[in-house]
Amino acid sequence: EDKVVQSPLSLVVHEGDTVTLNCSYEVTNFRSLLWYKQEKKAPTFLFMLTSSGIEKKSGRLSSILDKKELSSILNITATQTGDSAIYLCAVEAPNTGNQFYFGTGTSLTVIP
Amino acid sequence: NAGVTQTPKFRVLKTGQSMTLLCAQDMNHEYMYWYRQDPGMGLRLIHYSVGEGTTAKGEVPDGYNVSRLKKQNFLLGLESAAPSQTSVYFCASSSDRAATNEKLFFGSGTQLSVL
Repeated sequence: EDKVVQSPLSLVVHEGDTVTLNCSYEVTNFRSLLWYKQEKKAPTFLFMLTSSGIEKKSGRLSSILDKKELSSILNITATQTGDSAIYLCAVEAPNTGNQFYFGTGTSLTVIP
Repeated sequence: NAGVTQTPKFRVLKTGQSMTLLCAQDMNHEYMYWYRQDPGMGLRLIHYSVGEGTTAKGEVPDGYNVSRLKKQNFLLGLESAAPSQTSVYFCASSSDRAATNEKLFFGSGTQLSVL
């Protein structure tokens, strides 16, 4: 059964801390892994990863994929209160319907 | 650029009532999806479609029906709403021909409460 597991489920940090969010997957026919940020509305796209070891970076956020370990991490440095959100990981699998399998998300709270 | 438009944004139903959620996309995407999101559960796939006139069951299809009569529209129906269907519903679309890294495009969501 295809599945995506995220850890931790929730995290509370202070402003300025660095956090690492984890995503592991067991999916047939992996095509890509996607990270989203969700703040009480629709998820917004952060990164798409397809190749192992190549870091994607956007400001204080970065992400990398390890296809050998079937996992990915999302790093956020110098966290701000605006980073408080649910972070979702999804894996694209071109099986019937080109499905996207989502993890349960990591709820991040950044306190001043 | 409208992208994916989802209506309505909010709805309150009584148990046993029916309703239809409408999703429309203007990106000529072949794949469309309906997800529900409950606290601590992530996004769970209800039904999906690989093209006009096709539909298929996802992870949690019971109590829902869908139709895709036109490529740009994907309708989600609740024939007899139950309190367990209280959730936030998201429509999404994707394409194998997407030119950007953002592969999955979401609607703004529908907050549905069944009393």
